[in-house]
Amino acid sequence: EPEVTQTPSHQVTQMGQEVILRCVPISNHLYFYWYRQILGQKVEFLVSFYNNEISEKSEIFDDQFSVERPDGSNFTLKIRSTKLEDSAMYFCASSDYDGTGQFFGPGTRLTVL
Amino acid sequence: AQSVAQPEDQVNVAEGNPLTVKCTYSVSGNPYLFWYVQYPNRGLQFLLKYITGDNLVKGSYGFEAEFNKSQTSFHLKKPSALVSDSALYFCAVRDNLDSNYQLIWGAGTKLIIKP
Repeated sequence: EPEVTQTPSHQVTQMGQEVILRCVPISNHLYFYWYRQILGQKVEFLVSFYNNEISEKSEIFDDQFSVERPDGSNFTLKIRSTKLEDSAMYFCASSDYDGTGQFFGPGTRLTVL
Repeated sequence: AQSVAQPEDQVNVAEGNPLTVKCTYSVSGNPYLFWYVQYPNRGLQFLLKYITGDNLVKGSYGFEAEFNKSQTSFHLKKPSALVSDSALYFCAVRDNLDSNYQLIWGAGTKLIIKP
């Protein structure tokens, strides 16, 4: 069964450093998303991506964040100049043409020290 | 504004008993409703969804959910709970008028099944 994969599973970084979280969505899906979940809190939408551009972003997704689909398979989230409060689990998801089912990756746990 | 409420932080059920995890929602248009489960240190696993059609939706691991438009609810149910069902359950909604497909999430309900 096809699945969304994410690497790394855990990323530890120093405050102020840049990190890139990687995702490989399900191959025939067209919509891609990033969500985050701060420990003990609810899942929050960050950004959606379609047709090689951002289709929607939340207020969390400020200039510190960017997304890219550098090739036909990967979907990345870059966080510039990380802050302590960026520590969270980051989930990638993808959905097919009508977006009626989003399938999630296992997440990347980001720890900013 | 779209929102999802899961009124119970935690639900405790004895193994073998039926379980219900509650979810209510608010959207402008028609809702697309989802349940996901999260096991410790794991990602979000899709359980089931309601898009249209029959109000009773069956999903993975024996779970089902009933869409009730008048009560704006989408409660998750299972006739006989297993200890392995213990996990964090999230309800999510998407407004069918939202062309960007983002999901709005409830706060989650911790389900504890005791042997």
